[in-house]
Amino acid sequence: GESVGLHLPTLSVQEGDNSIINCAYSNSASDYFIWYKQESGKGPQFIIDIRSNMDKRQGQRVTVLLNKTVKHLSLQIAATQPGDSAVYFCAEIRKTSYDKVIFGPGTSLSVIP
Amino acid sequence: NAGVTQTPKFQVLKTGQSMTLQCAQDMNHEYMSWYRQDPGMGLRLIHYSVGAGITDQGEVPNGYNVSRSTTEDFPLRLLSAAPSQTSVYFCASSERPTGDYGYTFGSGTRLTVV
Repeated sequence: GESVGLHLPTLSVQEGDNSIINCAYSNSASDYFIWYKQESGKGPQFIIDIRSNMDKRQGQRVTVLLNKTVKHLSLQIAATQPGDSAVYFCAEIRKTSYDKVIFGPGTSLSVIP
Repeated sequence: NAGVTQTPKFQVLKTGQSMTLQCAQDMNHEYMSWYRQDPGMGLRLIHYSVGAGITDQGEVPNGYNVSRSTTEDFPLRLLSAAPSQTSVYFCASSERPTGDYGYTFGSGTRLTVV
């Protein structure tokens, strides 16, 4: 039968505001997490990573928070710009099983100029 | 520095046809992998390789073959295309299998099977 495409969650933010994108991960044994950015028609790009022995990591305009208690990851983008419009998704990795990288479906971020 | 290069960017196949998606990387990465991306779903691993001469199956290997004769190249072969294989295919590489510092992805091949 014909499959119906699923729609990604969408987040719309005003240019200059902060964005928060959330990800629930599935495996409590996952010990390494990565956020990727995927612009339309392109491959995913690494943004920032965090290991399970940390709860916060900051990069340039981005911060990742990890809450292992509830298996939740978030990506905060400060002063969102039009160039930030993309799909963002998290990946969880259990470093003892490299074939067990699990990618989330993603959130579509739309920046309103 | 080209990174990961995938060809072709677009392809239309008829059901039953075969084809090879090419992937090459120039970063001397040992680990390479193929993913498919379908609407509303996360990337799903098809096959991966931890070095020349070594390949293994991922989550959705049926209908696909791979080989790794050199460090640089990791082609994906569709044996007999089916409409269910309509998808966007990404090749990725990394220094280590666990993807420390993330995978480097190609720009993708959009495949339509009619």
